[in-house]
Amino acid sequence: DTGVSQNPRHKITKRGQNVTFRCDPISEHNRLYWYRQTLGQGPEFLTYFQNEAQLEKSRLLSDRFSAERPKGSFSTLEIQRTEQGDSAMYLCASSRTGGEETEAFFGQGTRLTVV
Amino acid sequence: GNSVTQMEGPVTLSEEAFLTINCTYTATGYPSLFWYVQYPGEGLQLLLKATKADDKGSNKGFEATYRKETTSFHLEKGSVQVSDSAVYFCAPGSTLGRLYFGRGTQLTVWP
Repeated sequence: DTGVSQNPRHKITKRGQNVTFRCDPISEHNRLYWYRQTLGQGPEFLTYFQNEAQLEKSRLLSDRFSAERPKGSFSTLEIQRTEQGDSAMYLCASSRTGGEETEAFFGQGTRLTVV
Repeated sequence: GNSVTQMEGPVTLSEEAFLTINCTYTATGYPSLFWYVQYPGEGLQLLLKATKADDKGSNKGFEATYRKETTSFHLEKGSVQVSDSAVYFCAPGSTLGRLYFGRGTQLTVWP
């Protein structure tokens, strides 16, 4: 396994357009997370899946944002009617459940620029 | 929810200097504690972790001890190298595996 994979790596879009990002987690990981990171800040939690169930959503995740993980494997994050404030790095991470909290492995991220 | 306060950066050191990056947290219960590192142009990588009080996490010469009494998890390294230049993030976890990141501390090491 090559780790968490995110596509595309970069996306430039015009304001008002919709964008979709994909995350492929490590294959045996049942937990998947989306975070957003803006310049000079730490990653902020957006949402969390365990298998195909979306168990937690941040209030940062406005109605324009939706995430899915249809078969408990890959996940998509869609942003509708993008705004300039959506410009950020979108990070995906995965982990597995275990007796202790296990580490999360992060992808390289998708950098979104809204012009 | 959990939160973290991390030492403000940037931190600039000469090679072989001693490094401390302070981290204090607030949390419900006793979560695992993590330090992640982000090298220029790369994704976040786990540097070290500690899962219970008094545990010491260590990796690549870095160490951090889980201090329940002071709710701290300070990162230390005895002798930094130029290759340690990166952004360091302290993050308490949660039972769902979610991480609570601080703003990060930029470290620059000069030869």
